[in-house]
Amino acid sequence: GESVGLHLPTLSVQEGDNSIINCAYSNSASDYFIWYKQESGKGPQFIIDIRSNMDKRQGQRVTVLLNKTVKHLSLQIAATQPGDSAVYFCAENHSGNTPLVFGKGTRLSVIA
Amino acid sequence: NAGVMQNPRHLVRRRGQEARLRCSPMKGHSHVYWYRQLPEEGLKFMVYLQKENIIDESGMPKERFSAEFPKEGPSILRIQQVVRGDSAAYFCASSPDRAYEQYFGPGTRLTVT
Repeated sequence: GESVGLHLPTLSVQEGDNSIINCAYSNSASDYFIWYKQESGKGPQFIIDIRSNMDKRQGQRVTVLLNKTVKHLSLQIAATQPGDSAVYFCAENHSGNTPLVFGKGTRLSVIA
Repeated sequence: NAGVMQNPRHLVRRRGQEARLRCSPMKGHSHVYWYRQLPEEGLKFMVYLQKENIIDESGMPKERFSAEFPKEGPSILRIQQVVRGDSAAYFCASSPDRAYEQYFGPGTRLTVT
């Protein structure tokens, strides 16, 4: 069936370095993608989103890239900080007000 | 503007008991979604509701699980005759009309002993 998945389950980076978290999706009908951050014991927190008519979107220290040709999504975090340590999920849906399909998650560990 | 509220945050039930999980969406949001998360896994969709209507329950087990979102009051996810396999974190999300983004509550962690 259709699914969203991540390439790397864990990622360790040095404080101050840039982080790149990847995600593959298979539903070609998806037109909206979201990255969530989930800290231990908390609910997913919205980070950034992108619609399928865009290739790139930037926020504060974060950038999301969408490659529709290979159905690939990535989250780039600049100057990674200890507070960025968490599990990051990509999610997708289409047509608005529909359930999100989540990937399995990547745990980001920041080494001070 | 308060975020999505869920209670209780932690719930312990013995096998065979009932669990009731509550979710109050963000102000102005009329769409509610319930997801389940097992340790070290992603969130899995269970049910999508609007006021007084179940829109999509394709992710919810056919037996023992039910959900409602009444005209007044919070959305309720009800699990009857709980089993150990029901132990998980249950998250509620809400969104406004014609929206893609969903905002999540802090979750209810259900432990079945």
